[in-house]
Amino acid sequence: DIQMTQSPFTLSASVGDRVTITCRASQSIGSWLAWYQQKPGRAPKVLISMASSLESGVPSRFSGSGSGTEFTLIISSLQPDDSATYYCQQYNSYSWTFGQGTKVEIK
Amino acid sequence: QVHLQQSGPGLVKPSQTLSLTCAISGDSVSSNSAAWNWVRQSPSRGLEWLGRTYYRSKWYNNYAVSVKSRVSINPDTSKNQFSLQLNSVTPEDTAVYYCARDQAGSLHHWGQGTLVTVSS
Repeated sequence: DIQMTQSPFTLSASVGDRVTITCRASQSIGSWLAWYQQKPGRAPKVLISMASSLESGVPSRFSGSGSGTEFTLIISSLQPDDSATYYCQQYNSYSWTFGQGTKVEIK
Repeated sequence: QVHLQQSGPGLVKPSQTLSLTCAISGDSVSSNSAAWNWVRQSPSRGLEWLGRTYYRSKWYNNYAVSVKSRVSINPDTSKNQFSLQLNSVTPEDTAVYYCARDQAGSLHHWGQGTLVTVSS
């Protein structure tokens, strides 16, 4: 299986801050990567697919970049509603895997 | 508007088979552009993709390496739904189970989630 490693595990930031979350793959996955946001008690919601393609209805403060083994999710100006856990997911191989998650808290 | 509705027991005994069903509305399980997945989530294992079934002139399945010997995901075209069976469960299989629809890999539509506890 391809292992996905996210960092940091948790982060605390203020409203308006720029937030960066990193996801590393154990081998190259091209651009076959999605980012999800999950709030407590809810299913994950896809934010970005193909590493950088923003899904319809997702605020433009979210952006994704990267290819190969290094990927980044950026929230350009953190908002109170962004308090959640964020996951990356690779779908390059026939066996898909998620990162362990990054919990974003608002100071 | 795609909607996925899960059903199945919330309690399964160790060594038995976990069975869940996901009913689809707003799409077809036989769609040539979508695939139908099961994902689970637990505090110890995080989000874990279990596998998927899809139709591209014939039926295909992909399964996670971690459960490949115990898992089966099957379509039911007569009821427009798909199912998960996980054999020989242990307490480690206790998790919230989700069904989900993917289109080209990312999971856009999810069921409501079912907490399944493995306990005697």
